[in-house]
Amino acid sequence: QKEVEQNSGPLSVPEGAIASLNCTYSDRGSQSFFWYRQYSGKSPELIMFIYSNGDKEDGRFTAQLNKASQYVSLLIRDSQPSDSATYLCAPLARATNKLIFGTGTLLAVQP
Amino acid sequence: DVKVTQSSRYLVKRTGEKVFLECVQDMDHENMFWYRQDPGLGLRLIYFSYDVKMKEKGDIPEGYSVSREKKERFSLILESASTNQTSMYLCASSPRLAPLVLEFFGPGTRLTVL
Repeated sequence: QKEVEQNSGPLSVPEGAIASLNCTYSDRGSQSFFWYRQYSGKSPELIMFIYSNGDKEDGRFTAQLNKASQYVSLLIRDSQPSDSATYLCAPLARATNKLIFGTGTLLAVQP
Repeated sequence: DVKVTQSSRYLVKRTGEKVFLECVQDMDHENMFWYRQDPGLGLRLIYFSYDVKMKEKGDIPEGYSVSREKKERFSLILESASTNQTSMYLCASSPRLAPLVLEFFGPGTRLTVL
C-alpha cells in the first residue's frame, strides 16, 4: 500500500462546477496535511493546510479532513479553466516529521 | 519578487560528470530542501539543511551530496551523474518557526543525463 494515494485522473469537470479531489494516507499518526497545486512545467504552490478534523475554507477552496478514515479532500467551488493543474496531497509523517507527497491528481476544467 | 532561484532551468550532462545544482533564497530562511520529482513517484526528499553547514539525509540521498556554506545558498552535487538521475530537481525553503510548511519552491531544474 502506498503511503499516500491519489487518483491520477484526469478529473474532468465543467467550468463553474465543484471539483472534488481525494487523498488517502496510511500513517495513522499524521496530524497535518498540505495541498499543493502544480501547473505543467512549474513548481508546486501551497494552497492550503489543515490540522483538525472537519472543514477549512479559504476562498473557493475547502479542505476536508477525516482522521478516523485517514482521508483528506480538497473541494474547489466555481471551478475555472485556470484551476486546471495537478493537485498534490502531502501528509506530514509523524515518525519522521517529513512531508510525504502523493503523485497528484490532474484536474481539467472544461470551458 | 524573486524568492527562491535555481541556477539552471534545463541542464544536459553526460554519464560520469560531476554536476552542481545551485539554489538561492532571499527570505533569510533557516531551512532548505532538495527534492526530485519523477512521474508516478511524486516528490522525494534528497537532503535538507536546518542551518549553515548542517545537513540531513532525506529519503533518497544515495548518489548525492550537498553543501551549505552560506545561509542563502544550498547546493546539490551529483558526484558522478548517472542516467537514473535524470529528473526534475526542486529546491525549497522554509523559516525556522514553520520548518515544515513548504511554501516556497524554486522553479526547478530539469536535468537530463545522457
